[in-house]
Amino acid sequence: DTEVTQTPKHLVMGMTNKKSLKCEQHMGHRAMYWYKQKAKKPPELMFVYSYEKLSINESVPSRFSPECPNSSLLNLHLHALQPEDSALYLCASSQGPLAGIPYEQYFGPGTRLTVT
Amino acid sequence: TQLLEQSPQFLSIQEGENLTVYCNSSSVFSSLQWYRQEPGEGPVLLVTVVTGGEVKKLKRLTFQFGDARKDSSLHITAAQPGDTGLYLCAGARTGGGSNYKLTFGKGTLLTVNP
Repeated sequence: DTEVTQTPKHLVMGMTNKKSLKCEQHMGHRAMYWYKQKAKKPPELMFVYSYEKLSINESVPSRFSPECPNSSLLNLHLHALQPEDSALYLCASSQGPLAGIPYEQYFGPGTRLTVT
Repeated sequence: TQLLEQSPQFLSIQEGENLTVYCNSSSVFSSLQWYRQEPGEGPVLLVTVVTGGEVKKLKRLTFQFGDARKDSSLHITAAQPGDTGLYLCAGARTGGGSNYKLTFGKGTLLTVNP
């Protein structure tokens, strides 16, 4: 099973709202990621959690706040977003990298976020 | 800066034609992944190549990793409308701060017309 699930599928929020995106995987992966993707562009890395600890923050504005409650769950808390934050938000997970195992990331279906 | 140059960016072909997508870099990657993404969905992993010179086949799709592990190609034989989508190559380097990052190409938007 290589499934990463994300909820909600679609989200429309105003600039003063607070909302959260959720991601879950049950593959035993110890690294989880948040990406932002604009139409017809490659995904842009936002955050990486490794063993439930934040290991990479790609200088993301503080209006995006990640959280990893346990090894299977990843949340992205949103507050005071701007219209330019409208995008597809993707969650991904991977085993490692681990020695001797090809490094592969598996993506969820994404949350289409529209900020009005 | 690690860059993956992916070409072509756009490709529109007729059903039954063959096509090749290229990813090139001046950097060595420990592995390279190919994804296909349909509109509004997440990228789906097609294949991972690890060994220089490696060739992998997935039905009508053939993936090759260059001998020096700096480049890769995806060849589709007899393309079908179901092959339509955004194809992304992504390279991984292990070691140091790059451990968790994939370097993505800009993508190839393929349209296969019936």
